[in-house]
Amino acid sequence: AAGVIQSPRHLIKEKRETATLKCYPIPRHDTVYWYQQGPGQDPQFLISFYEKMQSDKGSIPDRFSAQQFSDYHSELNMSSLELGDSALYFCASSLEGQTYEQYFGPGTRLTVT
Amino acid sequence: GENVEQHPSTLSVQEGDSAVIKCTYSDSASNYFPWYKQELGKGPQLIIDIRSNVGEKKDQRIAVTLNKTAKHFSLHITETQPEDSAVYFCAATAAMYSGGGADGLTFGKGTHLIIQP
Repeated sequence: AAGVIQSPRHLIKEKRETATLKCYPIPRHDTVYWYQQGPGQDPQFLISFYEKMQSDKGSIPDRFSAQQFSDYHSELNMSSLELGDSALYFCASSLEGQTYEQYFGPGTRLTVT
Repeated sequence: GENVEQHPSTLSVQEGDSAVIKCTYSDSASNYFPWYKQELGKGPQLIIDIRSNVGEKKDQRIAVTLNKTAKHFSLHITETQPEDSAVYFCAATAAMYSGGGADGLTFGKGTHLIIQP
């Protein structure tokens, strides 16, 4: 079965640079979520989108923004990167109003040097 | 906001024995409780979930129980196998089944399950 696709899988940036992470949800899924997971920590919810509109907002820094496009893929834009932004970033998708299960992608490992 | 506590942080059991992981949540509005298994370097994998209108759910060797009154839910794994070794996360959220929105999950801190051969 098709899964959530994330790109790139690994990304190395320097402090104060910008990064863009992409997420392609499972076909027919209309909702995407972004999570950040630091080393040895639990995933922290950042933001979600349903039908291209922001749905819920968690602990997303003001330096980060995200959007969902007409084909339901989503991009997380991160600016003025800090060393503390180094983490795994996961995207999850679900079919809203149906089953509500969130299926996670393989993640993007961001390293800020 | 929601707060989820998970215990124990590490659990070591003999192969073939059972493992139980417990979670509590704080927000009485939460109505959806999934469990995820995460292997090193991989994304969390949904293994079982339960909704607030159900007290127990079972899928082969895995079962989850929910006590809404006590705001407590547990994962039970029977006949553990080496491939069960991983970090397990419980989570909670208030799901709007009528559509129109999507709340993020609040996770527990995770349990490192070690299956001893």
